Amino acid sequence: QSVLTQPPSASGTPGQRVTISCSGSSSNIGSNSVNWYQQLPGTAPKLLVYSNNQRPSGVPDRFSGSKSGTSASLAISGLQSEDEADYYCAAWDNSLNGRYVFGTGTKVTVL
Amino acid sequence: EVQLAQSGAEVKKPGESLKISCKTSGYSFTTYWIGWVRQMPGKGLEWMGIIYPGDSDARYRPSFQGQITFSVDKSTNTAYLQWSSLKASDTAMYYCARQGFGEYHFDYWGQGALVTVSS
Repeated sequence: QSVLTQPPSASGTPGQRVTISCSGSSSNIGSNSVNWYQQLPGTAPKLLVYSNNQRPSGVPDRFSGSKSGTSASLAISGLQSEDEADYYCAAWDNSLNGRYVFGTGTKVTVL
Repeated sequence: EVQLAQSGAEVKKPGESLKISCKTSGYSFTTYWIGWVRQMPGKGLEWMGIIYPGDSDARYRPSFQGQITFSVDKSTNTAYLQWSSLKASDTAMYYCARQGFGEYHFDYWGQGALVTVSS
């Protein structure tokens, strides 16, 4: 089972702001940077945010990440219909000889 | 342009062997780690491990250790994931992804390869 916990679902109307939380521990989020991935239906995941709050080239600034202690969050402002997807947080975990862990995933629905 | 192109869908029987590929282009293959991620039907993402093509140093998630093998072919810039004896529980989508330089995140992903294991 995943060591990073996310809410299973989130929703909003177009234009609204939606926030997704990601809860971890001292061995992962507490000591390493957090990344976020977007997985549109039927497609491969795509890197959305890395190093807690950095966006790769081409990712709209509507997406923003933050981290505090052993938790992180992803905010989507100005929600658009094409943002309907699964979102996963991820971080390196220093336990068990080290491994990369993904969150449980959050399905974002645009109402 | 960085690209990772994976081999096609596979249908296998329990006990059979399988090797899927991830052909890369557009960057220096030997200087970036390649990771493999499993997504079982209707489930989330699971990190399987990583391999460094420069020297074939491989790290496996403990739950996959001994069940799978990573390998690379530097002459074709291709990474591989293989099983010697498939189980029905190996049915999943498998993604290869490039790990960012000096980082732990995956910045480029393959399109995925669906593996179905059924008698």
